[in-house]
Amino acid sequence: DAGVTQSPTHLIKTRGQQVTLRCSPKSGHDTVSWYQQALGQGPQFIFQYYEEEERQRGNFPDRFSGHQFPNYSSELNVNALLLGDSALYLCASLRGREGNYGYTFGSGTRLTVV
Amino acid sequence: AQKITQTQPGMFVQEKEAVTLDCTYDTSDPSYGLFWYKQPSSGEMIFLIYQGSYDQQNATEGRYSLNFQKARKSANLVISASQLGDSAMYFCAMREGLPGSARQLTFGSGTQLTVLP
Repeated sequence: DAGVTQSPTHLIKTRGQQVTLRCSPKSGHDTVSWYQQALGQGPQFIFQYYEEEERQRGNFPDRFSGHQFPNYSSELNVNALLLGDSALYLCASLRGREGNYGYTFGSGTRLTVV
Repeated sequence: AQKITQTQPGMFVQEKEAVTLDCTYDTSDPSYGLFWYKQPSSGEMIFLIYQGSYDQQNATEGRYSLNFQKARKSANLVISASQLGDSAMYFCAMREGLPGSARQLTFGSGTQLTVLP
């Protein structure tokens, strides 16, 4: 049973560019959340998608946007990259409204902005 | 105000000994859940243990137990019989609201645990 799959694993981008990160949730899960984890810090919530709509959003600028597809997979897009966007981006999935301890995380995409 | 506070940036423990990682939380919501995750250098967040705010007993999962003191708003993780493979970053996290609300997790700053042979 595959867990949460994220791609790519590593990425290097230039300041001002745009980037797209991808996430496939665990089988049976239909809710996807994205987190940003700067070096040496805990993850910070970016947003959550359920039924192809953004349901919750953290304190991140509009440069961060996302999408969820009918197969529940999700993309995170970041425009006009800044050096401060360098971080590990984690995707977490859970099954619908069963948020007891259903959060399953992927291994993340490590983004470096130069 | 910080919602999740982990005051130990780094901890050392001898192999086969027990270790306690501290976590305090702050919320006005009577319904919440507390989680502990392990993050090895590979980056994946591995779920360890969960405690609901209405759970009467402390949660246990194998070598992991959660010392839940609701009045003190603390949820300390106890790892018994430490193993070298336990060396990793450990995060405490909280979900406000009922389990079915699927609300986001708020994480602490983490504790780096090193198990010594």
